[in-house]
Amino acid sequence: QVQLVQSGAEVKKPGSSMKVSCTASGGTFSIYVVNWVRQAPGQGLEWMGAILPMYGTTNYAQKFQGRITLTADESTGTAYMEMSTLRFEDTAIYYCARGGFDFWSPPQGDWGQGTLVTVSS
Amino acid sequence: QSVLTQPPSASGTPGQRVTISCSGNSSNIGSNSVFWYQQLPETAPKLLIDKNNQRPSGVPDRFSGSKSGTSAFLAISGLRSEDEANYHCAAWDDSVSGPVFGGGTKLTVL
Repeated sequence: QVQLVQSGAEVKKPGSSMKVSCTASGGTFSIYVVNWVRQAPGQGLEWMGAILPMYGTTNYAQKFQGRITLTADESTGTAYMEMSTLRFEDTAIYYCARGGFDFWSPPQGDWGQGTLVTVSS
Repeated sequence: QSVLTQPPSASGTPGQRVTISCSGNSSNIGSNSVFWYQQLPETAPKLLIDKNNQRPSGVPDRFSGSKSGTSAFLAISGLRSEDEANYHCAAWDDSVSGPVFGGGTKLTVL
């Protein structure tokens, strides 16, 4: 069973950028899709995008296209989500979650513990 | 506003059976599998039901999923206090080429 461990909480200024990491242990990393999902305070889950580390191919939600960049480092089993031009409404818990062997599915496996990002002036 | 529609809340007493609905359309639930996640307070979501009605290893058989047309349902029988959580549904959506989620249902065990 793969365990996903995310980087720690961050406080960011509006207009700045953030980069969250998600490191897999205990299983095969690169053959499964890694999804990124966020949850604003008191809200539901929102899919942001996904990456298949083995090929580096990505699929972004239209809402985040151009503002997030997903990357992965197979050598360390780590996926990254970078978001630019942060706004107050980006305050949320950001999760990585394992998918299947292709993009055409919601998360199917383990989730990271979540990274709280607070955007505050 | 979420693409899939769930009731914001549900409740039941210990031992009771509760059903949570998830409504979509032909581009998501109507043509793709539905997944359910359980999110206990202050924790990350956890996969509860896979591909409409499959329980991952370790999920009690008190939890079951079904789908009919453009709606899906999560049933919890023999309700326990530890079932108190938020439940989220999700499905791939062909029109946006990505997964979409419901707004979540907060289940209270009275």
